[in-house]
Amino acid sequence: AQSVTQPDIHITVSEGASLELRCNYSYGATPYLFWYVQSPGQGLQLLLKYFSGDTLVQGIKGFEAEFKRSQSSFNLRKPSVHWSDAAEYFCAVASMKTSYDKVIFGPGTSLSVIP
Amino acid sequence: DTGVSQDPRHKITKRGQNVTFRCDPISEHNRLYWYRQTLGQGPEFLTYFQNEAQLEKSRLLSDRFSAERPKGSFSTLEIQRTEQGDSAMYLCASSTEGEQFFGPGTRLTVL
Repeated sequence: AQSVTQPDIHITVSEGASLELRCNYSYGATPYLFWYVQSPGQGLQLLLKYFSGDTLVQGIKGFEAEFKRSQSSFNLRKPSVHWSDAAEYFCAVASMKTSYDKVIFGPGTSLSVIP
Repeated sequence: DTGVSQDPRHKITKRGQNVTFRCDPISEHNRLYWYRQTLGQGPEFLTYFQNEAQLEKSRLLSDRFSAERPKGSFSTLEIQRTEQGDSAMYLCASSTEGEQFFGPGTRLTVL
């Protein structure tokens, strides 16, 4: 069965510091991978996605993620965190082999940013 | 294009009452999804529509839950005889292919 794990429930970083959020997935084939961000009272916003091709994916707000097939990982990175990045981050996986895009989400990592 | 909208944004109800939520997808999107998100968890898939056809329902969707998309546009999610365990954020998303666009959600509190 497909599953997504995010080992870090909560992370605190200083503003301006670099960030890496970890994500591991379990899936029988190459999945489609996503990172979403959810701010309090807001809907989920897609940061970036990987379908195929270059394993280093650039997203919005200065985020990037790297797909590593050998490690079944899709970690999210940002070189310099801003206070506005404080939010909940969800890694997700989907299979496009079916006729629809059922998305399986990880449990999320809560990011706090301190001045 | 105003994005995916959901109504109401918040709903407080007493245990045993019925509630209905509405989702208006992005107009050209033929795929519509419902998810449930409890505190501290990621969203969990509930059901999926392609146009007006409901093609899959999760085991999370008990007999008390019913979803419709009668004309292939907006969708409703009804919960009958609500229980305290139904308290959650109910998210709707729509897509054509690939990226799903999410609405702001309806937060349900069952007292």
